[in-house]
Amino acid sequence: QSVLTQPPSASGTPGQRVTISCSGSSSNIGSKTVNWYRHLPGTAPSLLIYSNNQRPSGVPDRFSGSKSGTSASLAISGLQSEDEADYYCAAWDDGLNVLRYVFGTGTKVTVL
Amino acid sequence: QVQLVQSGAEVKKPGASVKVACKASGYTFTTYDITWVRQASGQGLEWMGWMNPDRGNTGYAQKFQGRVTLTRNTSISTAYMYLSSLRSEDTAVYYCARNGAGAAPDYWGQGTLVTVSS
Repeated sequence: QSVLTQPPSASGTPGQRVTISCSGSSSNIGSKTVNWYRHLPGTAPSLLIYSNNQRPSGVPDRFSGSKSGTSASLAISGLQSEDEADYYCAAWDDGLNVLRYVFGTGTKVTVL
Repeated sequence: QVQLVQSGAEVKKPGASVKVACKASGYTFTTYDITWVRQASGQGLEWMGWMNPDRGNTGYAQKFQGRVTLTRNTSISTAYMYLSSLRSEDTAVYYCARNGAGAAPDYWGQGTLVTVSS
């Protein structure tokens, strides 16, 4: 089961701001950086945010990430219809001295 | 440009094994770790393991310990994921990805559907 917890769904109208939360623990978010992915069915996941708040080249600045303690969040401003997708947070985790990459439970974003 | 191209879909019977290939291009293969992730239908993303293509060292998710093996052939810039003792629950799309800045998987393969069915 997923180690990072996200709300199952989020929605907004075009132009609105949507925020997705991601809750973890001291062995992952609390001590490691957080990454965010967008995933459309039938396609490969794409990296939106890495190292908590860094955008890869080509990712619009409508997407922003932040982290505080053992939680992180992804904000999508100026929501567009093309933003409808599943979004996952992820982080490395070293609990019990075993390194693994953990994903969030995923949030389906719907543009109303 | 960075590309990861995976081998084609597979259909296997329960108990069999599968080997998925991931050919990298557009960068120096031995410079970046490779991560493997899978997604079963209707489920979330699940990390399987990682490999350092330069030294060949690996790390696996506890769930797959003993069933998964990650290898590589540096002469052809290709990583492999071998999964044995397949069961129906292993039916999923399998992805390889390159670990980039911040050790975040950044570039991903197109995915390989593995179907396990009798």
